[in-house]
Amino acid sequence: NAGVTQTPKFRVLKTGQSMTLLCAQDMNHEYMYWYRQDPGMGLRLIHYSVGEGTTAKGEVPDGYNVSRLKKQNFLLGLESAAPSQTSVYFCASSYSGQPLAKNIQYFGAGTRLSVL
Amino acid sequence: EDQVTQSPEALRLQEGESSSLNCSYTVSGLRGLFWYRQDPGKGPEFLFTLYSAGEEKEKERLKATLTKKESFLHITAPKPEDSATYLCAVRGVSGGYNKLIFGAGTRLAVHP
Repeated sequence: NAGVTQTPKFRVLKTGQSMTLLCAQDMNHEYMYWYRQDPGMGLRLIHYSVGEGTTAKGEVPDGYNVSRLKKQNFLLGLESAAPSQTSVYFCASSYSGQPLAKNIQYFGAGTRLSVL
Repeated sequence: EDQVTQSPEALRLQEGESSSLNCSYTVSGLRGLFWYRQDPGKGPEFLFTLYSAGEEKEKERLKATLTKKESFLHITAPKPEDSATYLCAVRGVSGGYNKLIFGAGTRLAVHP
């Protein structure tokens, strides 16, 4: 059981380049999330999705776009990368609805992105 | 505004030296407080969820407790393999999509 799989694991970009991060989950979860993690700060939500074909902005959405064409996949895009987007990106997924005890977010291993 | 503060930022323990990590929170209508463990280069791994003041949960050497303002993660007789960053997060009543607010974490190092 793979859980949440993120690709790639590492990437180096030059300022202005674009890229897409892929997240795949095999737990049939409705909800999926993209976070970024920076030193000294908590995980911050970039975008999230409550179902196939739906996405919404989180806490820090500027400079990112997302798509969820299939229930199991959630893509995060950077159209024009900036050094401020150097970070570790985590994808998570969770069940929705009741009981709340099942609404645990499960995380992937992360993508380490450097923008030069 | 929902907020989570964890202390200390870093903690160094000798093997067998018990201690506690603190998570202070403010949230509108708590719908769950979560503890995660994160090893270097890996994603957060779920440990516990607590829902109401007075609730406690245990797993091996870890015990999580909850009050109306804070949660503690007690580590009893830690081993080097307990070294990791421990993250705390809360879900409030406004989290209609299962929104979590995370603290910055406590980096725990346990030395032999």
